[in-house]
Amino acid sequence: EVQLVESGGGLVQPGGSLRLSCAASGFTVSTNYMSWVRQAPGKGLQWVSTIFSGGGTYHADSVKGRFTIYRDNSKNMLYLQMNSLRAEDTAVYYCALMVRGIMFDYWGQGTLVTVSS
Amino acid sequence: EIVLTQSPGTLSLSPGERATLSCRASQTINNNYLAWYQQKPGQAPRLLIHDASSRAAGIPDRFSGSGSGRDFILTISRLEPEDFAVYYCQQYGGSPMYTFGQGTKLEIK
Repeated sequence: EVQLVESGGGLVQPGGSLRLSCAASGFTVSTNYMSWVRQAPGKGLQWVSTIFSGGGTYHADSVKGRFTIYRDNSKNMLYLQMNSLRAEDTAVYYCALMVRGIMFDYWGQGTLVTVSS
Repeated sequence: EIVLTQSPGTLSLSPGERATLSCRASQTINNNYLAWYQQKPGQAPRLLIHDASSRAAGIPDRFSGSGSGRDFILTISRLEPEDFAVYYCQQYGGSPMYTFGQGTKLEIK
């Protein structure tokens, strides 16, 4: 059974950093496409970052240069390193498994990031 | 940039009725790489439909998707109480790589 469990969210000041983690079970992170998708309070879904099975990474323009997606194959974990955080980055961040790299097949329960002074 | 516009913003229907949700793209979506998701309050989204018309595993057959090119439809044939939620469409392959529509809220009339 596929399971995705996010952690690492919390309150951080503008300009600060945070690292989100996603613990995966029931499949192998390194052989699949994995993504982060966020949802600001009361708003819709926004794609953030994706790592392809081959290791290539892609980020939305709004986070490019500030966020980095990466994985630890030995731990079967996915991460999102978030630097230079802004108030507009406040959202629930979901980790998602993409079997074909086209749609988001499985989702974690999300972790809340709040950027505020 | 591919923009997905969903309509209506809110749809008020009664259980047993048929729901028709629309998703229009600003450009042609290649290979019909269009998906639909359902999200209930406090929960993560759930994949319903992929490749415009294929149901995901475990999704009841009252959910169906159709369309191609720029215009796509999600139909729920007979609404059950648990179907009242927010629905999002999503595309792959344009720029940015993945985009979502703004959502349609399906509420009980």
